[in-house]
Amino acid sequence: EPEVTQTPSHQVTQMGQEVILRCVPISNHLYFYWYRQILGQKVEFLVSFYNNEISEKSEIFDDQFSVERPDGSNFTLKIRSTKLEDSAMYFCASMGGINSPLHFGNGTRLTVT
Amino acid sequence: GENVEQHPSTLSVQEGDSAVIKCTYSDSASNYFPWYKQELGKRPQLIIDIRSNVGEKKDQRIAVTLNKTAKHFSLHITETQPEDSAVYFCAARPGGNSGYALNFGKGTSLLVTP
Repeated sequence: EPEVTQTPSHQVTQMGQEVILRCVPISNHLYFYWYRQILGQKVEFLVSFYNNEISEKSEIFDDQFSVERPDGSNFTLKIRSTKLEDSAMYFCASMGGINSPLHFGNGTRLTVT
Repeated sequence: GENVEQHPSTLSVQEGDSAVIKCTYSDSASNYFPWYKQELGKRPQLIIDIRSNVGEKKDQRIAVTLNKTAKHFSLHITETQPEDSAVYFCAARPGGNSGYALNFGKGTSLLVTP
């Protein structure tokens, strides 16, 4: 069964540094998402991406965040200047169509020190 | 925006008993309601979903019911087993011309004791 893949599985960075989290969505999917989950809390929506542009974003997704689909397979989340409170599990997800289920990757655990 | 409330936050049942988790949503235009199971340190995995034109859906020991008028939906697990122990999240997808993002509840930590 095809899967959403994310790298790295764990990223440690110092406060103020830039990080890029990488995702390869399922190959024929059209809608791409980033969610985050602070330890022990709920899954929070960050941003959705369709047709090479952001279609929706949450209040969390401020100017420090950006997404890119640089080629036909990768989907990246960049945090420009990390803060301690950015420490969380970041999940990439994709779906094939608006009536399709959402599939999550295994996540990248980001630790900001 | 859509607000999803989930109860209870923790639930402990004995093996073989049933477990029920309830969610409410605020946006009457929401039209898709999935349930995800998340084991410790792993990704959320879809276990069952229901669309707004259906009142109930069942898959073996798992069932979901939807009451559109009351804007609530529930997950029912029968004959629970220890491997059902996990955190369960409900979610709702708003209708309309949005990014079709899911909004999640806060999760229910289910413990099934042998």
